[in-house]
Amino acid sequence: DAKTTQPPSMDCAEGRAANLPCNHSTISGNEYVYWYRQIHSQGPQYIIHGLKNNETNEMASLIITEDRKSSTLILPHATLRDTAVYYCIVRVMEYGNKLVFGAGTILRVKS
Amino acid sequence: GAVVSQHPSRVICKSGTSVKIECRSLDFQATTMFWYRQFPKKSLMLMATSNEGSKATYEQGVEKDKFLINHASLTLSTLTVTSAHPEDSSFYICSAGVAGGRYEQYFGPGTRLTVT
Repeated sequence: DAKTTQPPSMDCAEGRAANLPCNHSTISGNEYVYWYRQIHSQGPQYIIHGLKNNETNEMASLIITEDRKSSTLILPHATLRDTAVYYCIVRVMEYGNKLVFGAGTILRVKS
Repeated sequence: GAVVSQHPSRVICKSGTSVKIECRSLDFQATTMFWYRQFPKKSLMLMATSNEGSKATYEQGVEKDKFLINHASLTLSTLTVTSAHPEDSSFYICSAGVAGGRYEQYFGPGTRLTVT
């Protein structure tokens, strides 16, 4: 699975959009970009995933560059409860395929 | 839907004893589950892939005789930490994907193991 690079930490004001970047310059054509988050002392939570088109769901939007070498997770209106570690992972979408976590980005939402 | 539970949520045991942690998929079947451990302020480290009805696949450096994994049914995988030592104290997390469905992994809430 391709490796990803994320900033170690970011701050965001409550109510503002949080934009979390991820670089995955060695991504393969059949690898998807996944985002998970982990709130302190809980199991990770799935957020969103995509291949090459931008995706949106009730939690977030995922913007993938045309060359697929980077992506941005957008939380449109961050709240204090969005404070967590956010993980960007690339992997082939295949049942039984493992998720390998990097260091992630600590997002601190401040009032 | 797609809920994964773990039991117990916290356990304290004495050095030398064995501890079993259960991971259940409550509303779906999972032929494959995963076990992770996480040290304070560190990321999740994959320990092994648990396959229903067959042997688990362990990541490099993980002692299979130390961390016994059993996946006896499509909804239950267990991790047994044998002869636990203080250095085994950690946060253990399992995950599962819906067999035949979408491919995102659903994670349990984790089990905090403390070995005294």
